[in-house]
Amino acid sequence: GESVGLHLPTLSVQEGDNSIINCAYSNSASDYFIWYKQESGKGPQFIIDIRSNMDKRQGQRVTVLLNKTVKHLSLQIAATQPGDSAVYFCAENIGNQGGKLIFGQGTELSVKP
Amino acid sequence: GAVVSQHPSRVICKSGTSVKIECRSLDFQATTMFWYRQFPKQSLMLMATSNEGSKATYEQGVEKDKFLINHASLTLSTLTVTSAHPEDSSFYICSAAPGTSQETQYFGPGTRLLVL
Repeated sequence: GESVGLHLPTLSVQEGDNSIINCAYSNSASDYFIWYKQESGKGPQFIIDIRSNMDKRQGQRVTVLLNKTVKHLSLQIAATQPGDSAVYFCAENIGNQGGKLIFGQGTELSVKP
Repeated sequence: GAVVSQHPSRVICKSGTSVKIECRSLDFQATTMFWYRQFPKQSLMLMATSNEGSKATYEQGVEKDKFLINHASLTLSTLTVTSAHPEDSSFYICSAAPGTSQETQYFGPGTRLLVL
């Protein structure tokens, strides 16, 4: 759901370390989840997705974990680089609603060189 | 492939004027386009879903007479902010879903609107 008026949570990591960004989603009917990266002043950029019939999916340096029992998603970034600094959003696609996405609150990732 | 553009990238207007923002899918046909608004340090909030050739579906709390959406072709949707006020200042982002899949959305680069 939305968190209007709240500041974005922040995560600060050292370059080379692994990052874990968490997200709680709201709707049990959601069947498709996406992680987006948004740099300042730009639109969201697709990172990785996962369907509700999976609990883990790996990409290049990124892994998404899905726990449907507690409605929780996480994004793991391996060997975090300064270029990974951005705001990360999870989004849930509620089935049978024409592709409508509900975005999570977002987390600002800051990577220290 | 799958590029979505927005025009203008930023616009400054006087209070009371109307502003039109274009969203184009450059290399695919988009049956559905979505319009989002994002205030500083906040998440994207869906405003409306635009389907080609039909009326847009607005989210609760979004005034359809203030935010006019037109999706006249499979590659173009427009959002017109009518009688803009300073509180309408925001980052407006569109996304487009190819006809083959409603799940996949490609996002535009956003339009920064500042109403003086």
